Amino acid sequence: EDQVTQSPEALRLQEGESSSLNCSYTVSGLRGLFWYRQDPGKGPEFLFTLYSAGEEKEKERLKATLTKKESFLHITAPKPEDSATYLCAVRIPSGSRLTFGEGTQLTVNP
Amino acid sequence: DVKVTQSSRYLVKRTGEKVFLECVQDMDHENMFWYRQDPGLGLRLIYFSYDVKMKEKGDIPEGYSVSREKKERFSLILESASTNQTSMYLCASSLGTGEAFFGQGTRLTVV
Repeated sequence: EDQVTQSPEALRLQEGESSSLNCSYTVSGLRGLFWYRQDPGKGPEFLFTLYSAGEEKEKERLKATLTKKESFLHITAPKPEDSATYLCAVRIPSGSRLTFGEGTQLTVNP
Repeated sequence: DVKVTQSSRYLVKRTGEKVFLECVQDMDHENMFWYRQDPGLGLRLIYFSYDVKMKEKGDIPEGYSVSREKKERFSLILESASTNQTSMYLCASSLGTGEAFFGQGTRLTVV
């Protein structure tokens, strides 16, 4: 069964304190790994797509990386406005649907 | 920018009512999805559609049906609303195997 596991469930950082979020998956023949940001009461906002091991994408203070078994979302010098839940999702080989992890709730204190 | 619009942000319905949640996308995407999101359970796929009049069951289709009469519109129907269908409902669309774009969500409360 396809599995997506995110860790930690919650992370509290001080402003400027860099860290990483993890997304591990057990999908054979991955056809894309996606990162989203979700603010309370809103729909997820697309951040990155990664397709192959070794690939990296960056946007402002965020950098996503991918290996054959997991992806990391690195947050460099975070600010309070980076506080949100970060979701990862994988596309399974057989179609267009996405399977989501349960997310990491990030809080950045000023 | 892709825009996915859900018809309501908040809804309150009574047990047993038939409920319609509407979703419209403006980017000619062939794939559309309905998820529900609950604390501790994450996003779970209810139904998806890869073309007009085509639909496939997701992981939790029981108690729901869908309609896709036009490419841009995907409706989720709760045939007889129950309290365990109180949730955040999220619609999304995607082009091929690309990323999915989400609407703002509908918070449904069934009383």
